[in-house]
Amino acid sequence: QKEVEQNSGPLSVPEGAIASLNCTYSDRGSQSFFWYRQYSGKSPELIMFIYSNGDKEDGRFTAQLNKASQYVSLLIRDSQPSDSATYLCAVNFFGSGGSNYKLTFGKGTLLTVNP
Amino acid sequence: DGGITQSPKYLFRKEGQNVTLSCEQNLNHDAMYWYRQDPGQGLRLIYYSQIVNDFQKGDIAEGYSVSREKKESFPLTVTSAQKNPTAFYLCASSIDFNSGEGYTFGSGTRLTVV
Repeated sequence: QKEVEQNSGPLSVPEGAIASLNCTYSDRGSQSFFWYRQYSGKSPELIMFIYSNGDKEDGRFTAQLNKASQYVSLLIRDSQPSDSATYLCAVNFFGSGGSNYKLTFGKGTLLTVNP
Repeated sequence: DGGITQSPKYLFRKEGQNVTLSCEQNLNHDAMYWYRQDPGQGLRLIYYSQIVNDFQKGDIAEGYSVSREKKESFPLTVTSAQKNPTAFYLCASSIDFNSGEGYTFGSGTRLTVV
């Protein structure tokens, strides 16, 4: 069973601080990693993806991937109250024959940014 | 604008009744997916379709059925065999099953048993 683990939170940070969200996964062969943001009562929206070890930056968001440790994280700099949401980590596990398999989602981390 | 349309937004089902949730996409995506979300459970895969006229069971397919007669459409039927259907249902699509790219989600259907 492929697994994606996240701390359910809630993670509470003050406005302007850095929020750090973490995710671990079970399959060492995983290739694609995604972060989705989900506001309460709404559907998930893709905010970041990363395929290679290291950091990937997009505005206030940075995704970090360490395949050796099977660990992916999302940093949100200068956190704003509008960032308050549940953040879902998703991993694309490779099936047999080298083809991509369906995304597996973690249960999400609830982030609250306090004004 | 391209996207995924789910309808209805809210749906109420009586005990023993079958209901069908609609999912339509105009993104020209080959692959489509149905997820169920319960509080504290994350997203759980019900069914997925890699291509027209093909679909596969996901992790929690019991009590559900799907069809994929057109590329654009992937309706989900919640049958009376599904004992606990109250949940938030999400339809998603991707360019193709093997692209390794992320999914685009519809706005969801909230189903309640009354």
